[in-house]
Amino acid sequence: GAVVSQHPSWVICKSGTSVKIECRSLDFQATTMFWYRQFPKQSLMLMATSNEGSKATYEQGVEKDKFLINHASLTLSTLTVTSAHPEDSSFYICSAAYSSYNEQFFGPGTRLTVL
Amino acid sequence: RKEVEQDPGPFNVPEGATVAFNCTYSNSASQSFFWYRQDCRKEPKLLMSVYSSGNEDGRFTAQLNRASQYISLLIRDSKLSDSATYLCVVTLASGGSYIPTFGRGTSLIVHP
Repeated sequence: GAVVSQHPSWVICKSGTSVKIECRSLDFQATTMFWYRQFPKQSLMLMATSNEGSKATYEQGVEKDKFLINHASLTLSTLTVTSAHPEDSSFYICSAAYSSYNEQFFGPGTRLTVL
Repeated sequence: RKEVEQDPGPFNVPEGATVAFNCTYSNSASQSFFWYRQDCRKEPKLLMSVYSSGNEDGRFTAQLNRASQYISLLIRDSKLSDSATYLCVVTLASGGSYIPTFGRGTSLIVHP
């Protein structure tokens, strides 16, 4: 399968700081990238769908001003958690796909802990 | 009713057993279907896509039943390494794009 990298793999930060997570598709051009959040023992929750060159589409209940998504190229999307709070602590996973119809390839995830 | 439902399990089976999981979806307009496997504290990895004609990959067979709105995954000759959570994903057309919805996953434990 295709390779997707995610950086950083884990981060610990103080409350109120912003954290930027990068998602890269290494061997294919991803028209669509997805951002998910997963709390322990729960399913993946889609946060937003990101299409290259256009604004991300956020799922209901996800604050677009808090979770800033940029998809500037076919191989890179970034998620910035602004003014992070302890309740934002979670496992954030991105995925990349040739299109939203096709199978997704996941990055290894980023564990965010906000103190 | 949840959009995508799976029996959370766990399914506890001995090595060599055959085990089957079902995943039901509520929207008949759903477009594409996939099975993923997720190990503890890891990202999901694609196991197989599910086609209307069904598909098989080694010990794994996936089926789609549009009339009854479910997909299934059959694992034959279970190995210890098959222990994981199996997630079904259903995509639905929305505003020119396709939105994926994950089930909560079915936990499989294969024991010696």
